[in-house]
Amino acid sequence: NAGVTQTPKFQVLKTGQSMTLQCAQDMNHEYMSWYRQDPGMGLRLIHYSVGAGITDQGEVPNGYNVSRSTTEDFPLRLLSAAPSQTSVYFCASSSGSGGAFFGQGTRLTVV
Amino acid sequence: QQQVKQSPQSLIVQKGGISIINCAYENTAFDYFPWYQQFPGKGPALLIAIRPDVSEKKEGRFTISFNKSAKQFSLHIMDSQPGDSATYFCAASGANDYKLSFGAGTTVTVRA
Repeated sequence: NAGVTQTPKFQVLKTGQSMTLQCAQDMNHEYMSWYRQDPGMGLRLIHYSVGAGITDQGEVPNGYNVSRSTTEDFPLRLLSAAPSQTSVYFCASSSGSGGAFFGQGTRLTVV
Repeated sequence: QQQVKQSPQSLIVQKGGISIINCAYENTAFDYFPWYQQFPGKGPALLIAIRPDVSEKKEGRFTISFNKSAKQFSLHIMDSQPGDSATYFCAASGANDYKLSFGAGTTVTVRA
């Protein structure tokens, strides 16, 4: 049972480049979320989804895009990378009441 | 601004001692209060969680104390072990757990 799988684990981008962070879960969870983790700030919610075809913005959505075409997958797109988007990104999934399960993270550096 | 305030930022405890981490919140709509443990290079892992209908929950050496009137909750790690050395995050959300607001984290170091 893989749980929540994120790819890639590490990525370096140049300013202005775009990329997609992949997230897949095999627990048939309805809810999925993306967070970014920065030193001294904990994790902050970027976007979330309450089911296939339904997404909404979290606390820090600017510069990011998401879609949810299947229950399993919830990719996060950086439209035009900026140095301020240098962070560690975590994807999470949950059933809504049993606790959120997090992936291993993607460490992104924008130069 | 951060909806959940966590303290201290870091703490050092001797093996066998008690680690205490405190969190406070303002949003009275919060209805679920989990604690996560994170090791370097890994994702956060759910440690223990509580809902406001109880004032305390214990799982092994980990205990959450919850004070609804003060809007505060805390994590107690009893008989701390070197393997407990990690960063701990408190969090809060509404009834469902997919929109978590996290505290800034506490790095716990347990000295052998």
